[in-house]
Parts: sequence; structure tokens; C-alpha cells
Amino acid sequence: DQQVKQNSPSLSVQEGRISILNCDYTNSMFDYFLWYKKYPAEGPTFLISISSIKDKNEDGRFTVFLNKSAKHLSLHIVPSQPGDSAVYFCAASDEGGGADGLTFGKGTHLIIQP
Amino acid sequence: DAGVTQSPTHLIKTRGQQVTLRCSPKSGHDTVSWYQQALGQGPQFIFQYYEEEERQRGNFPDRFSGHQFPNYSSELNVNALLLGDSALYLCASSLGPPGGNEQFFGPGTRLTVL
Repeated sequence: DQQVKQNSPSLSVQEGRISILNCDYTNSMFDYFLWYKKYPAEGPTFLISISSIKDKNEDGRFTVFLNKSAKHLSLHIVPSQPGDSAVYFCAASDEGGGADGLTFGKGTHLIIQP
Repeated sequence: DAGVTQSPTHLIKTRGQQVTLRCSPKSGHDTVSWYQQALGQGPQFIFQYYEEEERQRGNFPDRFSGHQFPNYSSELNVNALLLGDSALYLCASSLGPPGGNEQFFGPGTRLTVL
């Protein structure tokens, strides 16, 4: 029973264009959502987060959108750069319940083509 | 400023053996969480330690146990190893008390059970 789903195992985007990574969740108790980026042989690196009281959070080239009614979030990267090639994980937690152990999706491998 | 460090980097064990993995949190952090990442999957939450106590636990059997020391470092112990325990074990640290805090990950320990 996957509570956080990333349905695209991989995504290929041209350099300079927009990358859109999607994530769906099923647990309505989740109220805090994060995106992590992972390079081979390294641990996941925090990118950006959003609380359920917001529908958008922006940090430089990265923007996360949250649609609570659809239980869907997306990460937009504009413009995409070669260094963005990595595996991206969507994660969620029930902060309001004092439980901040993260539930992760399976990840999307983003490949930026020159 | 040292980030999260984990030891050893790689480990090979046989079925039925016991293993201990170690984690030192990022400087200033007092909360440590452990995750298991199987091949092709996202990290799965094992448990979280704060103030030397287990505060939250994921869906893992009692063979998985842990400890947090007064200096905030932590150990993950796995008894009676199974082939299915082969995975990357990630440690993440954050600033407590648990709830709404960004987690910083270490590079992980790759455990192979033969």
C-alpha cells in the first residue's frame, strides 16, 4: 500500500526547458511535503518543502505546487540545467500528529539533455 | 561544518548474523532518524530517536533496534539478518523536538546479506 506515488520512473527534458515532476498521495493526514534530490553514492539532499496550509512555495528555480483536494503535488524546475540530472523523491509526513518520519515515493529519474 | 556521517560505508554479512551501523548527526542536531532504501525503491522510515528515546517507529520488526547516545550519535542494530535486509541504510538528522524540521541525510551504509 503505497501512500506516496511517483508514477513516472524517468523523465527526459531538454536543457533550458521546464521540468515538471509529479507526486500523488493517499493519506489525508499528511500535512507537510518535501522534495529531495539524490545523486548516486550520496544521501538525499533537501530541495524544497510545502506545508498543507499553502498551495505554492518558490525557491529560485524550484517551485512546488500543492493541490490538497486532488492529493497531488508537483515540482517545477525552470530553467532545467545539466546539474539537475538526478533522482527526485517526493516525501510526506504528518507533522500535526507529531510524526515526522517521512514517507517517500519511489523516485523519478530526471535526465536533462544538452 | 560536518554534515551527517555514517560508518561503515559498505558491509557484507551472512544470513543469521547481527549488524550494527553508526551515525553522527550534523553539528547542532539532536534528532536522528533511520531509513532503509531497497534497490529501486524510495527510503522507508525505520525509527526516530530524540533525547535518547525512540519517539516514532515505522513498520519494521523488532529485529531492528536502535540507540541514541548522550552526544546525539546513534546506532542501528539488526539481528538475525535475512537476505531481504540487503539495502542502503540512511541516517538523517534534524533539530528537535520532532515535528516540521528539515531532515539532512548522510551518504548511507550499503549492507549486503549473503
